[in-house]
Amino acid sequence: SYVLTQPPSVSVAPGKTATITCGGNNIESKSVHWYQQKPGQAPVLVIYYDSDRPSGIPERFSGSNSGNTATLTVSRVEAGDEADYYCQVWDRSSDHKVFGGGTKLTVL
Amino acid sequence: EVQLVESGGGLVQPGGSLRLSCAASGFDFSYYEMNWVRQAPGKGLEWISYINTVGITIYYADSAKGRFTISRDNARNSLSLQMNSLRADDTAVYYCVREGNLRELDYWGQGTLVTVSS
Repeated sequence: SYVLTQPPSVSVAPGKTATITCGGNNIESKSVHWYQQKPGQAPVLVIYYDSDRPSGIPERFSGSNSGNTATLTVSRVEAGDEADYYCQVWDRSSDHKVFGGGTKLTVL
Repeated sequence: EVQLVESGGGLVQPGGSLRLSCAASGFDFSYYEMNWVRQAPGKGLEWISYINTVGITIYYADSAKGRFTISRDNARNSLSLQMNSLRADDTAVYYCVREGNLRELDYWGQGTLVTVSS
């Protein structure tokens, strides 16, 4: 089965840029989606189709996908961005959706 | 406004059964594929099951196959998950999730907690 690998944690100072990676074999051939989950809340879609933002998501959130790594970038990080972030793809070979293990973003 | 409201969670003994329901509103339910995703306490997200718009094409994660059954009633705008032979490791918050055109999970319910314990 397809595996997505994320770093368990990323820390960043307010106003700086946070980069969260999602590794997978030839992940560039897949569409990658990203979710933000704050404590006690349901996940929220923040990036879909590698780099598109749903309405209502700040432009500070961006995504890219190349080679074996997809990346979620949060620019000008704010305290309210502190959350767990998950990447997700659809594995065509199994018709299963796959999540990465999640990355806890801490704002220092 | 899209709303997905889960119900049916609770405490059940190992080996028992539970049926989760999801009431959908604010969109044309019959046009969207749907999923169940769960999250064990303190753990990450785990996709459980998928159903297409007419309920014919269905997929399950290995952890759910043979024990869980997903279904939908488009006339009632509802999604269900029948869970049998429950185990302690099925303990989790279960989310009802709408699927977008690019296989993204674009709207999530608030979840319902299932606790499997004696």
